[in-house]
Amino acid sequence: GIQVEQSPPDLILQEGANSTLRCNFSDSVNNLQWFHQNPWGQLINLFYIPSGTKQNGRLSATTVATERYSLLYISSSQTTDSGVYFCAVVDTSGTYKYIFGTGTRLKVLA
Amino acid sequence: ETGVTQTPRHLVMGMTNKKSLKCEQHLGHNAMYWYKQSAKKPLELMFVYNFKEQTENNSVPSRFSPECPNSSHLFLHLHTLQPEDSALYLCASSHYPGQNTGELFFGEGSRLTVL
Repeated sequence: GIQVEQSPPDLILQEGANSTLRCNFSDSVNNLQWFHQNPWGQLINLFYIPSGTKQNGRLSATTVATERYSLLYISSSQTTDSGVYFCAVVDTSGTYKYIFGTGTRLKVLA
Repeated sequence: ETGVTQTPRHLVMGMTNKKSLKCEQHLGHNAMYWYKQSAKKPLELMFVYNFKEQTENNSVPSRFSPECPNSSHLFLHLHTLQPEDSALYLCASSHYPGQNTGELFFGEGSRLTVL
């Protein structure tokens, strides 16, 4: 089945710094999402981005489907950005399951 | 009102208890999912329901019994659980991928502790 890898696994930043999180996937996908899991466990939708570039405030994302990767950019990071970031893709093999990466754990220091 | 609501948010149960987790979605979606997230592990898909029919059972032990009476409600019935079943259980919904956007929306999760 499709494999989803995220890097880096852990990231520590000083408040105000910028960062780039990467999601690689091993096969073609129709859907791709980025989520932020807050300290209470809830998964918050950040972007639905099967291709192209989107921006929302300090966050932006780019997916290059033909090269099988997506990037999440966080600019001017804040302590509230801390948590785990997941990407998830839809397997097009016929079962249409969402497959999650193992996540990037981000800690932003004040 | 949030799009996907889960109750209870926290649950502590003994190994001989029977309890249920409830999920309700107000987004007009037709697919609903249960995921399990154990400490330091990736999200595991447990069950998928599409238009009330179960389309995926990811080799989940029978002590977990899902129920989907309609497209808006999903339950997870729990009985004779083991301590290793302690985890965060997340419910999600979407339009079924292939028909529409298929964007996935999650509830706040139910944190389960089995003593």
